[in-house]
Parts: sequence; structure tokens; C-alpha cells
Amino acid sequence: GAVVSQHPSRVICKSGTSVKIECRSLDFQATTMFWYRQFPKQSLMLMATSNEGSKATYEQGVEKDKFLINHASLTLSTLTVTSAHPEDSSFYICSATLDSSTNEKLFFGSGTQLSVL
Amino acid sequence: QKEVEQDPGPLSVPEGAIVSLNCTYSNSAFQYFMWYRQYSRKGPELLMYTYSSGNKEDGRFTAQVDKSSKYISLFIRDSQPSDSATYLCAMSALGAQKLVFGQGTRLTINP
Repeated sequence: GAVVSQHPSRVICKSGTSVKIECRSLDFQATTMFWYRQFPKQSLMLMATSNEGSKATYEQGVEKDKFLINHASLTLSTLTVTSAHPEDSSFYICSATLDSSTNEKLFFGSGTQLSVL
Repeated sequence: QKEVEQDPGPLSVPEGAIVSLNCTYSNSAFQYFMWYRQYSRKGPELLMYTYSSGNKEDGRFTAQVDKSSKYISLFIRDSQPSDSATYLCAMSALGAQKLVFGQGTRLTINP
């Protein structure tokens, strides 16, 4: 299957700092990427849909000024958690679609565990 | 009420047992149904993808969809310790890219 690389896999930061997470489609071009967050023993909750070259579409309740998403190329989307606080500590996962007409071609990164002290 | 309900478990069975995992949903617009396997602190991996009522088999895995009851199942035959993971159901509406996930069921296969 196609490979989606997510980096870093784990980050610990101080409260008030910003953290950037990268999501790359390694062997395909992804016009659309998705960002999820997952709390322990909870499901994946979609945060935003990111389309190359345009502004991301955020889900209801997700602060777009806090979670900045940039999708500058067909293989890279970034999520920046600005002024992180302990309540932002979570597992963040990206996904990228090889074919936007079907969810069968949706591939996930390995996730980033963010811990804010 | 959540759109997708999934028993979080945990579920523990002996090696070789048949495992049954289930999800119910309330949104009749859901037309595509997926099962993902997620190992601890990793991203989900697609196991099964279906879009019609009935059964779909792939090796030791069988996905079952009953749209009239809004109920889907994943069966694992001859379960192995390597099947120990969290299993997530996911659904989407026709033409929608957004997936709605169940809470996930944590499964442990004991040798």
C-alpha cells in the first residue's frame, strides 16, 4: 500500500510553545489530507480537511487559529499547534488519499504523540 | 447519541477462537463501511472495505453489513496473538470523504 510518513512520532514541549507536525505522502500525490486527534481509549476525531493550495476546512469546535494547517504541496501537509497547553496533549494522526473518489485509498500516518507540560 | 457506537471492550479470547466485533450506527446516509486495525501508538491500517449488505471475506477476516438493522460486524477466524490490537469501525456517506469512526474495541488474543 501507499506510504504516509508522519514526523515527529513523539514530542514533549512546554506550555505556551508551538509545535509543528509534518505529514508526507511518500510515493503518491495527495490532493487531500486529513488531520485527526485521538485521546486515550477514544476514537479518531476529524479535526480538519486539507486541500493542496487552499485553506483547510475545519470541523465544528476546532479552533482554526490554534491548529494551523498548511498544505503547500501535493505531498506535504503540516499541522502547527500554536501556544500549546496541557489540554492539547493528544495523539495526532494524519491521513492522505490516493484517490479522492473512494475512501478505500485512504492511508494513515503513524501518528504523533504530543505531550504538553 | 453518537453516530457510530462500538463496544470499547476490552475483549480477551484464547488463541484460535473466533472473534466477533460489532458496530451500530444511526445515520442511514452511511453507505461505505470499513474496519481498521490499530496497534498501540500507530496509525490505523485498513482491513476491510465494503459498501453493500452481506458478507465479504478476506482470508481469516469476514466483514458483514446489515443496512436494514444499521449493524456491521467483523469476524476473525483462527485468531492469533498478532491480531491483538484495537479494531475501529468507520463509515462514510456516499460521495463523502469524511470518515466517522467508532470508539474502537481493544482485543487481546492470549497464547
